[in-house]
Amino acid sequence: EAQVTQNPRYLITVTGKKLTVTCSQNMNHEYMSWYRQDPGLGLRQIYYSMNVEVTDKGDVPEGYKVSRKEKRNFPLILESPSPNQTSLYFCASSLRGTGYGYTFGSGTRLTVV
Amino acid sequence: AQKVTQAQTEISVVEKEDVTLDCVYETRDTTYYLFWYKQPPSGELVFLIRRNSFDEQNEISGRYSWNFQKSTSSFNFTITASQVVDSAVYFCALEYNNNDMRFGAGTRLTVKP
Repeated sequence: EAQVTQNPRYLITVTGKKLTVTCSQNMNHEYMSWYRQDPGLGLRQIYYSMNVEVTDKGDVPEGYKVSRKEKRNFPLILESPSPNQTSLYFCASSLRGTGYGYTFGSGTRLTVV
Repeated sequence: AQKVTQAQTEISVVEKEDVTLDCVYETRDTTYYLFWYKQPPSGELVFLIRRNSFDEQNEISGRYSWNFQKSTSSFNFTITASQVVDSAVYFCALEYNNNDMRFGAGTRLTVKP
């Protein structure tokens, strides 16, 4: 089944403790992206990647890192999480340039205390 | 600048009422794509419809219909004879520039029995 898999689904952590949210897709998509969703703000893009070893900042990249060493994986790294990073996170992938929109992961609900 | 505006933050209706969710977008691109996604209480994002900028035909799918008007830069979504299961947050989104996607802030629809 074609899908984007995010893990974990839920995570509660403490301020400053490094964490990684994994994202993997099995559709050979070139484009991958991370979004965060906050009430009243919709989904805002954190980082995106057009292909392996090509990443770029979205609208809200501060406090996040990403890497794209393999086509299928696009992990989101929070080196020193803070409470304002408490949010619902979505990973998405897409074929480049097709206009068919994104395939989204199921979301990761992160709470930083 | 690319922008999507969903002016209705929350809408509450009684079952069987018709309801329209508004979406207004801004883009300078001549080729772009518009989407609606549904986010039920479980949190995942469910694709509903995709429209490209060259296709202004309205679309109907069961109780759902979409009205795309380039003259007013709007892509409105109507649910006819709403049901409790339609309760969700609905997002309108604009894809442009080779995979970049911008979301509206979302409209929370509550359908009461």
